[in-house]
Amino acid sequence: AQTVTQSQPEMSVQEAETVTLSCTYDTSESDYYLFWYKQPPSRQMILVIRQEAYKQQNATENRFSVNFQKAAKSFSLKISDSQLGDAAMYFCAYYAGNMLTFGGGTRLMVKP
Amino acid sequence: KAGVTQTPRYLIKTRGQQVTLSCSPISGHRSVSWYQQTPGQGLQFLFEYFSETQRNKGNFPGRFSGRQFSNSRSEMNVSTLELGDSALYLCASSPQSLSGGGTDTQYFGPGTRLTVL
Repeated sequence: AQTVTQSQPEMSVQEAETVTLSCTYDTSESDYYLFWYKQPPSRQMILVIRQEAYKQQNATENRFSVNFQKAAKSFSLKISDSQLGDAAMYFCAYYAGNMLTFGGGTRLMVKP
Repeated sequence: KAGVTQTPRYLIKTRGQQVTLSCSPISGHRSVSWYQQTPGQGLQFLFEYFSETQRNKGNFPGRFSGRQFSNSRSEMNVSTLELGDSALYLCASSPQSLSGGGTDTQYFGPGTRLTVL
């Protein structure tokens, strides 16, 4: 079974600084997809970024970028120029074998 | 386009009762997936419906069931409620089925908060 691990239950960052959230996964699949979702206190889950495993280039969306290390099965999210609105729960998710599996989440706090 | 909508947003039931939750996907999306979110277990996949057929199912008891209508709207039913069923139930829609090799991004609704007393 696939598992997704987010080893940091909580992270804190100063506004305007950069923070990296970690995610590792376990799989025997060669073709799969990875996502980072954000869940603000309002509870609406929002897609932040997605990465196809067959692509070597790391995905980037504005201030959000990933460091995808396929051999190490690692998929970290980097948030640059952190803003107060970035405060939320962040979930790493893995898709393959007809199912989306989520990590336990990392709560990100942004200090003004 | 309007986003994924879920009704009701909040629900309080007692043990033994049954409950039905509703999800309306984004227009044009044919796949609806359901997830249970609890502090202890995190986010867990319940099932996916596509073209009125259940395509995938997570590891949940048979008390959890669902269906999808021809307009892609989906309902989830939980019978004989237990205290442990208290959770946030999220639905997500995507254009294609997860099981069809579709890798479309899923768009989540705001969730239904179910409390079982």
